[in-house]
Amino acid sequence: KAGVTQTPRYLIKTRGQQVTLSCSPISGHRSVSWYQQTPGQGLQFLFEYFSETQRNKGNFPGRFSGRQFSNSRSEMNVSTLELGDSALYLCASSLVEGNNSPLHFGNGTRLTVT
Amino acid sequence: KQEVTQIPAALSVPEGENLVLNCSFTDSAIYNLQWFRQDPGKGLTSLLLIQSSQREQTSGRLNASLDKSSGRSTLYIAASQPGDSATYLCAVRFIKAAGNKLTFGGGTRVLVKP
Repeated sequence: KAGVTQTPRYLIKTRGQQVTLSCSPISGHRSVSWYQQTPGQGLQFLFEYFSETQRNKGNFPGRFSGRQFSNSRSEMNVSTLELGDSALYLCASSLVEGNNSPLHFGNGTRLTVT
Repeated sequence: KQEVTQIPAALSVPEGENLVLNCSFTDSAIYNLQWFRQDPGKGLTSLLLIQSSQREQTSGRLNASLDKSSGRSTLYIAASQPGDSATYLCAVRFIKAAGNKLTFGGGTRVLVKP
């Protein structure tokens, strides 16, 4: 069974640009979450989607957005990039939305903003 | 406020020694706690998931304990090997947090010296 797949693995953008990251969950998983990892702040929750609906959102500005498609694949978008957006963006999937489902993470997309 | 703390931030041990990694959390109302491993530049690999009703979980050389009342979990790795060198992250699903949101500790970076 394939794991969580994130594309691309690496991205270099300049300030002011926008970027779209993609995540394909494990087959059959319907919940997708996104996290940002930086050396200073560690791992921080961005948002979570289930059945194409955003269920939960972390404390990030409106420049960060996402969506989920009917096949459970998810994308996140960051507009008007800032240097501080440089980070490893991790996607996680779980079987269902609920309190006992373990999360499975992809290898992440490394975004560098110059 | 729900927070997760891991101390120490870094640990170095000689090969063969047992590893003891600590995780503490501020709110005992949790659904579960998950331990992850992260290799440099990579995503998170799930090691163990402990439900709130459990006291411990074991997988091979790994054993994780949970004491909800004191807000602590410990990950034991027996007979450490150089291949165990990685960052270990503890993540908690708090009952007050919606959906599948995990709150992460800052991690413990482990180096096992041959």
